[in-house]
Amino acid sequence: AQSVTQLDSQVPVFEEAPVELRCNYSSSVSVYLFWYVQYPNQGLQLLLKYLSGSTLVKGINGFEAEFNKSQTSFHLRKPSVHISDTAEYFCAVSDLLMVWDDMRFGAGTRLTVKP
Amino acid sequence: DAGVTQSPTHLIKTRGQQVTLRCSPKSGHDTVSWYQQALGQGPQFIFQYYEEEERQRGNFPDRFSGHQFPNYSSELNVNALLLGDSALYLCASSLAGPREQYFGPGTRLTVT
Repeated sequence: AQSVTQLDSQVPVFEEAPVELRCNYSSSVSVYLFWYVQYPNQGLQLLLKYLSGSTLVKGINGFEAEFNKSQTSFHLRKPSVHISDTAEYFCAVSDLLMVWDDMRFGAGTRLTVKP
Repeated sequence: DAGVTQSPTHLIKTRGQQVTLRCSPKSGHDTVSWYQQALGQGPQFIFQYYEEEERQRGNFPDRFSGHQFPNYSSELNVNALLLGDSALYLCASSLAGPREQYFGPGTRLTVT
């Protein structure tokens, strides 16, 4: 079964600085990959997804992620963060070949943007 | 277009009691999944329903059960509540298959 490791539990960064949130996955098959964001006391919102095609995926709020199959990574990046980007970010993976598949989430990375 | 809705927002129960949580999927979606998110952790998959049948189940005991109705809405039932069941319960909807899921705001369950 697939699994997800988010390499940093907390990432503090100053406003307008670039940020990278790291995600590695392990799976014996092809996968779909996702990044979700969770603001305090809210559900999860889809930021972006990789299903197939270009390995550079652009999402909402200026975020992008790059799928690297050889390194089994799907890191999330933003060139310039805002205070409003402070939230919990989750990487998730689904098995491409399964009809009924449970989406596996990482433990999350708390991004804190400081003024 | 209404997104995924869940009720209630918050719930406090006593150990040993039973609870029912409800979810209405995003318009056009036919598949509902339930997740448990303990404080400071990522969501853990409980089960997934499609065409009123449980199609996939995570590593949760039989105390956790569910149901899907003909209108695709769903319920999550938890019997014999334990303190460790305290968590945010998230419902997500999608079209059938391994696709992106759309999440509701969650139900915060506190077991005392």
